[in-house]
Amino acid sequence: DQQVKQNSPSLSVQEGRISILNCDYTNSMFDYFLWYKKYPAEGPTFLISISSIKDKNEDGRFTVFLNKSAKHLSLHIVPSQPGDSAVYFCAASLANQAGTALIFGKGTTLSVSS
Amino acid sequence: DSGVTQTPKHLITATGQRVTLRCSPRSGDLSVYWYQQSLDQGLQFLIQYYNGEERAKGNILERFSAQQFPDLHSELNLSSLELGDSALYFCASSVASTHSGNTIYFGEGSWLTVV
Repeated sequence: DQQVKQNSPSLSVQEGRISILNCDYTNSMFDYFLWYKKYPAEGPTFLISISSIKDKNEDGRFTVFLNKSAKHLSLHIVPSQPGDSAVYFCAASLANQAGTALIFGKGTTLSVSS
Repeated sequence: DSGVTQTPKHLITATGQRVTLRCSPRSGDLSVYWYQQSLDQGLQFLIQYYNGEERAKGNILERFSAQQFPDLHSELNLSSLELGDSALYFCASSVASTHSGNTIYFGEGSWLTVV
């Protein structure tokens, strides 16, 4: 049973436009969410995170929105750049619980064309 | 460069064999995590160690085992290998044992191909 779902395997966007990547989760006990970006032949790199006590966190071109009632979060990239082309993983965890691990979705491949 | 070092980067071995993957965490990090990424699969959590002790177990097969040594490096042992074990194995590390605002950093992974 997948607790973190990224239902869109891929997304194509033009340079300069907004990219919106979506993630749904089923476990209402998750209270910390992260986005990781992965280029081919590299490990995932941390992008941005959000605690469940917030509904928005912004870092430069990247903004994550959290809708707890819908158990949904999204990552907005504005403006999108060709260098943003990568696989984006959504992850969730049970914060403050010792010995837990991040639960990842299967990822969404973003392609930004110039 | 995340600071997490994994060796070997690539490994090809036959079914039934045993391999060991090695991970050196970032300086100062006490937690080490192992993840498996197969084709069409997300990152599947295998196991976590914190300061030498096992802290959490995920979908790790009985044929697999891990340990964390006093110098904090970790090894993932995969035995009686099957074709389906072919995957990218990631090691990650973090300072603390929990995730409350605590980012985990991934290595570049070890590609295992079982033939």
